[in-house]
Amino acid sequence: DAKTTQPPSMDCAEGRAANLPCNHSTISGNEYVYWYRQIHSQGPQYIIHGLKNNETNEMASLIITEDRKSSTLILPHATLRDTAVYYCIVRVANNDYKLSFGAGTTVTVRA
Amino acid sequence: EPEVTQTPSHQVTQMGQEVILRCVPISNHLYFYWYRQILGQKVEFLVSFYNNEISEKSEIFDDQFSVERPDGSNFTLKIRSTKLEDSAMYFCASSYTGGPQHFGDGTRLSIL
Repeated sequence: DAKTTQPPSMDCAEGRAANLPCNHSTISGNEYVYWYRQIHSQGPQYIIHGLKNNETNEMASLIITEDRKSSTLILPHATLRDTAVYYCIVRVANNDYKLSFGAGTTVTVRA
Repeated sequence: EPEVTQTPSHQVTQMGQEVILRCVPISNHLYFYWYRQILGQKVEFLVSFYNNEISEKSEIFDDQFSVERPDGSNFTLKIRSTKLEDSAMYFCASSYTGGPQHFGDGTRLSIL
């Protein structure tokens, strides 16, 4: 799997957009970018994934650069409940391929 | 929204005892996984399971570990003879065909 690089931590103001960067410069053509988050003491929660096009769902938006070497997860209006560790994971597009978690970014949303 | 459920939420066991952690995956999912997270460390892959057999396992998943899908709804992780270092959160996950994996809230395993 391609490795990812994320900042260890970031703060965000409640109600503002949170932009979480991720570098994956060695990504292969058949690898997707997945984002998960883990709120304290809970299981990882799926947020969004994409291959090369930008994606949006009810939780977030995913912007992938044209060369696919980096991406940004956008939480449009951060709330205190968005405080969590966010993981950017590159995963082969295969049916039962494992997820390889790194250390992620600890996001703290402040009132 | 369908979810993965795990029981018990907390299991306390004496070292050397056998323990079984239980999971009910999302009903139409076909791929099943176990991960673990030692306190303060990363989430680590243990094993994936499809069509009633293990498809991949990590170095952590040694002969002390086994998985089973005893019926159409449950997916279990057994540790035969627990060690102190098995203390961790154990997460079950499931997915449909190559889609995102959905996780349960875990079982905290404490070995005394």
